[in-house]
Amino acid sequence: EVQLVESGGVVVQPGGSLRLSCAASGFTFDDYAMHWVRQPPGKGLEWVSLISWDGGTSYYADSVKGRFTISRDNSKKSLYLQMNSLRPEDTALYYCVKGTNGYSGSYYDYWGQGTLVTVSS
Amino acid sequence: DIQMTQSPSSLSASVGDRVTITCQASRDITKYLNWYQQKPGKAPKLLIYDASNLEAGVPSRFSGSGSGTDFTLTISSLQPEDIGTYYCQQYDFLPQTFGQGTKLEIK
Repeated sequence: EVQLVESGGVVVQPGGSLRLSCAASGFTFDDYAMHWVRQPPGKGLEWVSLISWDGGTSYYADSVKGRFTISRDNSKKSLYLQMNSLRPEDTALYYCVKGTNGYSGSYYDYWGQGTLVTVSS
Repeated sequence: DIQMTQSPSSLSASVGDRVTITCQASRDITKYLNWYQQKPGKAPKLLIYDASNLEAGVPSRFSGSGSGTDFTLTISSLQPEDIGTYYCQQYDFLPQTFGQGTKLEIK
């Protein structure tokens, strides 16, 4: 059974930093690109970032470029999102999402349950 | 960025009704269009990928069609468990973008 379990979401002040983690199981982690998708409370879905199967390529939404860094550790079957210079508009439920190919955009066949990041003073 | 426009934004229908949701892309995305269902308090679930392919385990009352810029999700006979919000998503171009969602309720 595929499982994606996010952690690390907390309340943080504007300008602060946070690292989200996602533990994967039930599939060959290093065969697939992985993504972060976020959802502000009561709003729609926004793709945030993707990383290729080997960690060699990553892409970001313009809204987070230069502030967020995606990474992965295939030996630990884990995905990460380092979030710096946080803004109130980054407040959202952050989902760890499995892609269906190794290197680029795709559809998402498995989602985690999400971890809530709140940016507020 | 590719803009994805869904209509309607909300919809109320009766059990057994045929329901149609449309999604229009701001440029040609060939077949790279997916549909997700999100129930309250839950993560989205993949229903349809590549415009018309039914994800394993999804009831056959769900179907997708379209290509280029215009796409449709159809529920042939609405069931009570189909309530939720439906999103389209394109992945032909980065950034991958979602429609704004269609909230489906039972009348």
